[in-house]
Amino acid sequence: QKEVEQDPGPLSVPEGAIVSLNCTYSNSAFQYFMWYRQYSRKGPELLMYTYSSGNKEDGRFTAQVDKSSKYISLFIRDSQPSDSATYLCAMRLYNTDKLIFGTGTRLQVFP
Amino acid sequence: DTEVTQTPKHLVMGMTNKKSLKCEQHMGHRAMYWYKQKAKKPPELMFVYSYEKLSINESVPSRFSPECPNSSLLNLHLHALQPEDSALYLCASSQVKGLGLGLPLDTQYFGPGTRLTVL
Repeated sequence: QKEVEQDPGPLSVPEGAIVSLNCTYSNSAFQYFMWYRQYSRKGPELLMYTYSSGNKEDGRFTAQVDKSSKYISLFIRDSQPSDSATYLCAMRLYNTDKLIFGTGTRLQVFP
Repeated sequence: DTEVTQTPKHLVMGMTNKKSLKCEQHMGHRAMYWYKQKAKKPPELMFVYSYEKLSINESVPSRFSPECPNSSLLNLHLHALQPEDSALYLCASSQVKGLGLGLPLDTQYFGPGTRLTVL
């Protein structure tokens, strides 16, 4: 079993839809959770960073962490074609340099 | 400013060549990282430098040699690579909370990557 599971997609939605991206993890010791967006042939760009259960909102993006279920989500409201990219979840333990990534979900938003 | 820069953007090299990848950040971050990313896969950690000292080597072959000349620069020296080493090489940096090695680190900011092709 992988430490972090993420559906690779592709996920195809119409412009304006609400998108839900999810990751599950097996190690209950993970403390910090991140979402990165990666456009084709570019480096990952940090979108959201959380360390506690609950919701964190930033513009059209909401990150949700449920530590009891070992489940994290990223919601994108009013999705735009420019949101078309691969979304990577990542997490790490309290006292380590190493990020554990999900495999990434490829999102396509069509006009 | 959360910018990490990498040069070159693209690199094509033969298996006998020696080349270097460069990474620079001016955010005052004291931890820097090299990752390798193959197509449709997540980044794989290669090396971590904390306070200019190598703190993690993820059992990377010796044909990859990292160097951290100062707190803003990170190099990856390449020699005798194989075609399967072709990938996107990403640099990242992060703040280090506290002093010394092995203490909690803040999140990582990535550069745009160098796309390496080994012929």
